[in-house]
Amino acid sequence: DQQVKQNSPSLSVQEGRISILNCDYTNSMFDYFLWYKKYPAEGPTFLISISSIKDKNEDGRFTVFLNKSAKHLSLHIVPSQPGDSAVYFCAASAADSNYQLIWGAGTKLIIKP
Amino acid sequence: NAGVTQTPKFQVLKTGQSMTLQCAQDMNHNSMYWYRQDPGMGLRLIYYSASEGTTDKGEVPNGYNVSRLNKREFSLRLESAAPSQTSVYFCASSQGQSYGYTFGSGTRLTVV
Repeated sequence: DQQVKQNSPSLSVQEGRISILNCDYTNSMFDYFLWYKKYPAEGPTFLISISSIKDKNEDGRFTVFLNKSAKHLSLHIVPSQPGDSAVYFCAASAADSNYQLIWGAGTKLIIKP
Repeated sequence: NAGVTQTPKFQVLKTGQSMTLQCAQDMNHNSMYWYRQDPGMGLRLIYYSASEGTTDKGEVPNGYNVSRLNKREFSLRLESAAPSQTSVYFCASSQGQSYGYTFGSGTRLTVV
């Protein structure tokens, strides 16, 4: 049973437009959420995170929104750039699981020129 | 500025062979992790070490063993490789939950 789901395997967005990547979770005990970015032949790199006490966190072009009642979070990238083409993973953790990260399957973002 | 270093980058094993994947971090992080990534799936935790001297099983520990040799190094051993262990393996380290994980570049292992 997948506790963290990224239902879109891929997403194609025009350069300069907004990219929205979605993530749903089932475990209400999750209290910390992270987004990672992965290029081919490299390890994932940490992008942005949000605690469950917040509903929004911004870092430059990247904003993460958390809707706890819907158990849904999203990553917004504005404006999208060619270098944003990568696989994006959503991950979540809970204090009662010793903060082990549970990962979604990833969404491949393709930025079109 | 190495971060997390994994060796080797690629490996082909025959069924039944053994090998050790090496991982070292130079960031003085307390916690280290071994993950595997398979197509269409998220990263799955094999083993982790919350601090030097401790190791614990993750989601998919069967067929693997680990050693936290010191604060810097965390190795993953396959005693008798099976085709189901064909995967990309990532080592990671972290200082704590709020800081995210730093990953190595991965080891692509094929068991034939």
